[in-house]
Amino acid sequence: DQQVKQNSPSLSVQEGRISILNCDYTNSMFDYFLWYKKYPAEGPTFLISISSIKDKNEDGRFTVFLNKSAKHLSLHIVPSQPGDSAVYFCAAKQAPGTASKLTFGTGTRLQVTL
Amino acid sequence: DTGVSQDPRHKITKRGQNVTFRCDPISEHNRLYWYRQTLGQGPEFLTYFQNEAQLEKSRLLSDRFSAERPKGSFSTLEIQRTEQGDSAMYLCASSTRPPGLADRSSYEQYFGPGTRLTVT
Repeated sequence: DQQVKQNSPSLSVQEGRISILNCDYTNSMFDYFLWYKKYPAEGPTFLISISSIKDKNEDGRFTVFLNKSAKHLSLHIVPSQPGDSAVYFCAAKQAPGTASKLTFGTGTRLQVTL
Repeated sequence: DTGVSQDPRHKITKRGQNVTFRCDPISEHNRLYWYRQTLGQGPEFLTYFQNEAQLEKSRLLSDRFSAERPKGSFSTLEIQRTEQGDSAMYLCASSTRPPGLADRSSYEQYFGPGTRLTVT
């Protein structure tokens, strides 16, 4: 049962353009969401997060949007740079007092071309 | 201490052998997590500790798997009688306990580079 879904396994974007990575979830108990970036042979690196009480969080070139009613979130990267090429994972955490584990999606491989 | 470290980075073993991995978390973090990642999948939760107490174990963690964090600092993950299906990347992460509900930044988990296990 995949509770966090990233339906696009790959995405190719030109340098300077916007990259939009999407994530859907099914568990309504999730109340905190995170995006991680992963390079080959390295562990995931935390990128940006958002609480369910917000609908947008911005950090430099990275913005995460949350649509709680649709159980959908997206990560926008603008402008995209070649160094952004990596696999991006969406992750979700349940409310405090319950499990502290993260539930991850299957990832989207982003390639930023020149 | 700049991040989570894991040892070894790579392990090749024969089926039926026992293996042990070590994780050293970020020093001020009191929560430590183990995940497993296979090809084409995201990390899957195995277990986590708060200080030395193991608070949750996934159903993925069969009886052949055991994890410890004896002094609330580093942790070990042991797999006994390895099987080919155990081949995966084993990831460790750490985080701090949120001091209050307002400080949600403590929910962020910081990952180590992983241990790649290959069972032949």
